[in-house]
Amino acid sequence: AQSVAQPEDQVNVAEGNPLTVKCTYSVSGNPYLFWYVQYPNRGLQFLLKYITGDNLVKGSYGFEAEFNKSQTSFHLKKPSALVSDSALYFCAVRLSGNTPLVFGKGTRLSVIA
Amino acid sequence: NAGVTQTPKFQVLKTGQSMTLQCAQDMNHEYMSWYRQDPGMGLRLIHYSVGAGITDQGEVPNGYNVSRSTTEDFPLRLLSAAPSQTSVYFCASSQTGYETNTEAFFGQGTRLTVV
Repeated sequence: AQSVAQPEDQVNVAEGNPLTVKCTYSVSGNPYLFWYVQYPNRGLQFLLKYITGDNLVKGSYGFEAEFNKSQTSFHLKKPSALVSDSALYFCAVRLSGNTPLVFGKGTRLSVIA
Repeated sequence: NAGVTQTPKFQVLKTGQSMTLQCAQDMNHEYMSWYRQDPGMGLRLIHYSVGAGITDQGEVPNGYNVSRSTTEDFPLRLLSAAPSQTSVYFCASSQTGYETNTEAFFGQGTRLTVV
């Protein structure tokens, strides 16, 4: 069975500092990995994905994530945080387009001016 | 480009009432799914479908029914609402297969309160 762990419920970072939101996964097979962001009272917006190829993937709004197979991790990063990045972030995994997308419990990011 | 459309956006039900949450997508996606979001629980899968006429249960299917008669629509039915079904419900769709474009697109959600 697939599972995703986001070990931090809350991450606080000062504006302009780098940010990292952690994600580890467990899956039998090659994972498709995703990050989504949710702003208050909104649906989930796709940020970036890893399917295959280069372990460092770049996505929307300056975010990037690094796939690490040996550590089964897919941490979300941004070099310089903005107050507008404050939101709820979800990591998710699936094995293919035919299988369910399994989410972590989410990490609330707060960027302080 | 509408994407995934959910209706209604808000709903209050009395315990025991039934209702249908509507979900429609215009991207010709074969895969559709329903999630519920509760504080501290993330998104939990209720039901999903890999194409018209095919549905399957997710992690928390009890108390919910689905059907998939067309590619575009995937309604979620609450048979007899209970306070434990108070939640925010999200519908999502995506392409199927072992392709690169497997990210899911989400609707704006339905906030349901059962009193």
